[in-house]
Amino acid sequence: QKEVEQNSGPLSVPEGAIASLNCTYSDRGSQSFFWYRQYSGKSPELIMFIYSNGDKEDGRFTAQLNKASQYVSLLIRDSQPSDSATYLCAVNMRFGAGTRLTVKP
Amino acid sequence: GAVVSQHPSRVICKSGTSVKIECRSLDFQATTMFWYRQFPKKSLMLMATSNEGSKATYEQGVEKDKFLINHASLTLSTLTVTSAHPEDSSFYICSASITGSVSNQPQHFGDGTRLSIL
Repeated sequence: QKEVEQNSGPLSVPEGAIASLNCTYSDRGSQSFFWYRQYSGKSPELIMFIYSNGDKEDGRFTAQLNKASQYVSLLIRDSQPSDSATYLCAVNMRFGAGTRLTVKP
Repeated sequence: GAVVSQHPSRVICKSGTSVKIECRSLDFQATTMFWYRQFPKKSLMLMATSNEGSKATYEQGVEKDKFLINHASLTLSTLTVTSAHPEDSSFYICSASITGSVSNQPQHFGDGTRLSIL
């Protein structure tokens, strides 16, 4: 079992819709959870981090953490074409394979 | 703030060459930096944790004699790929966190180095 698992996608949503990205992890003792965005050929850039169960909102982004289910998600509201990228879930220092998101105009 | 600079951005060289990649924290001190490797359309694979003033901690399966890491100051870590071969071609990325508690802090990434071995 991989330590951090994500659906590789691609996930395609129309402009203005909500994009939902999911991630599961195997280490029940994990304490820190991060979402990064990576454009093709570029390094990852941090979007959000979350440490506690529940929701954390930052602008159009909401991170959701459920430690009992070992599940963390990222919601992107009012998706824009510029949001098209690969989204990486990281748990502690381990990264998932990423989900490629395409937002169609 | 929290800028990490990585150099060079791209290297193309012949098989057997050793290549050094630098990672600098520009506006903060980083006692710990991290080196990742990424193949096309794959996720980041943690190679090693670079500790200032001490030996690096390598992940399982990463050859320490192949990938030499030096962290001589609080703002600089280097990765040297020794006697590089075509299979070492990849995108190498460094990162650092601002505080000393590294496992629960966001990482700030350098721009990466694309290494191509002919």
